[in-house]
Amino acid sequence: EVQLVQSGAEVKKPGESLKISCKGSGYSFTSYWIGWVRQMPGKGLEWMGIIYPGDSDTRYSPSFQGQVTISADKSISTAYLQWSSLKASDTAMYYCARVLFKNWFDPWGQGTLVTVSS
Amino acid sequence: EIVLTQSPATLSLSPGERATLSCRASQSVSSYLAWYQQKPGQAPRLLIYDASNRATGIPARFSGSGSGTDFTLTISSLEPEDFAVYYCQQRSNWPRYTFGQGTKLEIK
Repeated sequence: EVQLVQSGAEVKKPGESLKISCKGSGYSFTSYWIGWVRQMPGKGLEWMGIIYPGDSDTRYSPSFQGQVTISADKSISTAYLQWSSLKASDTAMYYCARVLFKNWFDPWGQGTLVTVSS
Repeated sequence: EIVLTQSPATLSLSPGERATLSCRASQSVSSYLAWYQQKPGQAPRLLIYDASNRATGIPARFSGSGSGTDFTLTISSLEPEDFAVYYCQQRSNWPRYTFGQGTKLEIK
């Protein structure tokens, strides 16, 4: 079974750094792009960026370029999303998903809730 | 950037009825369109890709149609578990992906 398992919920203060993870299993992790998607409270889905774990080629949405860093460690089949200085506006649910045929997101991880509050 | 506009924002129907959800693109996306279902507290799930292909394990009551700028997701006969939020998503200009704002399908 193809599965993506994300790290647990985080509560952070503004200005702190954070790195959340997404571990893939049940398929060749290095052969598919992994995408990250943000969902702010009560809102819709926003694509943030994608990474190809095979060679760490990374592409960002213009809206998130410079705001986050996406990386991967293929030796442990894990992708990461990180912030160097969190803001309250980063409070959201973050999902990772495998990118099928470079087009579609399937399956999705269970999500990681990030709360940033002083 | 290609904008996807979904309508209606909310659709109120009863179990057994037919649901028709619309997604319109600001410019042609060919057939590079997918539909997702999201239930409260859950991650989205891929339903339809390439505008009309059902994803693995998706019941036959779900169907997608359209190409270019106008797309439709149809649920032929609503089951209680179908009440959720539905999103369309395009990737006509890789790697640029955008989602519609969602349609909430609620029980009447």
